[in-house]
Amino acid sequence: EPEVTQTPSHQVTQMGQEVILRCVPISNHLYFYWYRQILGQKVEFLVSFYNNEISEKSEIFDDQFSVERPDGSNFTLKIRSTKLEDSAMYFCASRGTKNSNTIYFGEGSWLTVV
Amino acid sequence: KNQVEQSPQSLIILEGKNCTLQCNYTVSPFSNLRWYKQDTGRGPVSLTIMTFSENTKSNGRYTATLDADTKQSSLHITASQLSDSASYICVVGDRGSTLGRLYFGRGTQLTVWP
Repeated sequence: EPEVTQTPSHQVTQMGQEVILRCVPISNHLYFYWYRQILGQKVEFLVSFYNNEISEKSEIFDDQFSVERPDGSNFTLKIRSTKLEDSAMYFCASRGTKNSNTIYFGEGSWLTVV
Repeated sequence: KNQVEQSPQSLIILEGKNCTLQCNYTVSPFSNLRWYKQDTGRGPVSLTIMTFSENTKSNGRYTATLDADTKQSSLHITASQLSDSASYICVVGDRGSTLGRLYFGRGTQLTVWP
């Protein structure tokens, strides 16, 4: 079973610091996503990415956030100047083609901002 | 506003028993409806995916139904096992979204007791 891998699994950072969360999507997939889940709340959409550019972003995904696919395998989420309310589980997901309904999620990166 | 509501919020059943989880949504235009299983601290794992034209889909002991007219879905679990203890999340895809943005419910926390 192919899988999406994420690192780190858990990171603790001080408020105001920059954080980079890394994801390796499934190798032949073309569409990539970041979602987050604040403890006890729903999973929320952050951003979708295709062909090296953002396709859609939610109202949560403000200038503090950015995504990048620096090489052929990694897909990163950068959070500049973290805030306490950024503490959440961040999930990366990928999909093979636009017509493929199956979206595979990674195990998540748990970010704690102190 | 695109929303997904689930009931009950939590459920406890005895091993071997059946249960049914409910989902109502207002996401429009509708693309597809998914049920995911999420273990605590893990990423969501897909159980079933249904498009507009499908009204039932099975995956082993899991059977999902969809009524696109009333915008309701259910997930039926038969012969429950201890390993079924998890959060079951109803997720609806937005056809108006470029890459299929997903809207998540809060989940039903299922606990199976021996």
